[in-house]
Order: sequence, then structure tokens, then C-alpha cells
Amino acid sequence: TQLLEQSPQFLSIQEGENLTVYCNSSSVFSSLQWYRQEPGEGPVLLVTVVTGGEVKKLKRLTFQFGDARKDSSLHITAAQPGDTGLYLCAGTLLSSNDYKLSFGAGTTVTVRA
Amino acid sequence: NAGVMQNPRHLVRRRGQEARLRCSPMKGHSHVYWYRQLPEEGLKFMVYLQKENIIDESGMPKERFSAEFPKEGPSILRIQQVVRGDSAAYFCASSPRTGTNTGELFFGEGSRLTVL
Repeated sequence: TQLLEQSPQFLSIQEGENLTVYCNSSSVFSSLQWYRQEPGEGPVLLVTVVTGGEVKKLKRLTFQFGDARKDSSLHITAAQPGDTGLYLCAGTLLSSNDYKLSFGAGTTVTVRA
Repeated sequence: NAGVMQNPRHLVRRRGQEARLRCSPMKGHSHVYWYRQLPEEGLKFMVYLQKENIIDESGMPKERFSAEFPKEGPSILRIQQVVRGDSAAYFCASSPRTGTNTGELFFGEGSRLTVL
């Protein structure tokens, strides 16, 4: 079982639509990160959230960390084909060494032109 | 732009052979992490090293797998007597210091091992 559950697993939308990806856990995280990975490449960090309830915006991407620090969401407004990729959430458990990242299985997002 | 460099990018081995994967961290980074990614699964932590020290190898199989980060040269992940189940993408990441709250992990492009 995954420590971090991401949903949906796959998401295909038309250019211009909005989408939300969810990352949930029953555990508390000291920090949570979102990465984007393209085929044949390594994950690239998008954002780190550390405070419960925190909201961060990166252009058309909005990231939210749940109040209890057990969940997070990524919202993309007016998606573009360039947003296509595998979105991974990852976190460091509050009870763990802070270098150990646990990853979700990812959400594959496809934005059709 | 000297990011995390991994080689080879692709490696094909027959069962029973050895695989050696190399990773040069970003300039100025002294912490190296290895992760394994299987299809439709998230990245799984394998090992965390600093120069000449293995800090945490709890995610690495006890047999056939080893890792090192010598004083000079790249970090190496070594898999002996490979089996088909070892086929995966192996990612190396580096950071300037411990912790991910502010010290993000920077990933290489990965080494994709295929065992025939």
C-alpha cells in the first residue's frame, strides 16, 4: 500500500479546461512536495509546502496543503498541452528522518490541443 | 548548467550479469540519494549517502545491491547477478544538505535498466 494515495491515476482533458489532482494520506507530513516528470526524464520539483493550510501559486498552478498536513491538492487553471506529464506528490513524514521522501504513484495528465 | 548527471541512460543486461549505475551530484552537493521507479509505481527510496558514508540503506535489498559515494568520483549503485525484476528506472538525486523542507532534491534523468 502507498503511504501517499494520488487520484485520479489518469486524467485527460481538453486545452483550456481546469483540473485538480489529489494527494491523500492517513499520516502527517512535515512537508510535502509536488514534482512533474516527463517521459524519459527525472522528476522536477514544482513546489514545497510546509505549513498546514498553506496555499502556493505558480502561474496557473495552485497548490494547497491540508490543515492537518495529511493531504494536498494541485489545481491547474486553463490547462495547456505543455502541462502534460506525470505529477508526483512526495512528503517527509513527521515521524521520519527528514531526508526520506515517500512518493505517491503519480497522476498522468494529458492535455489535448 | 551542471545538474545531476547519471550514466548510462540506458543499460541492457542479461540475467546474472552485473549492472553499474553512476551518479555525479550537482556541484556543491554532498548528499546523494538513490530511488527506484517501477512502471505505474512511485519512486521508492533505496539509499542515502554522503561522501564516503552510507547514512541509510534501509530501502535497498540486502542481497546483490550495494552503493558507494567515494571521496573522489561519482556515486555508484551496483547490482550483482541481475534478475528480470531488477528492470526499472533508477534515479539519483542530490541536495546540498539534509532535509527537504528548504533543501529540495534535484533529480537526474535516470538510468533505465532492462534485464533480458
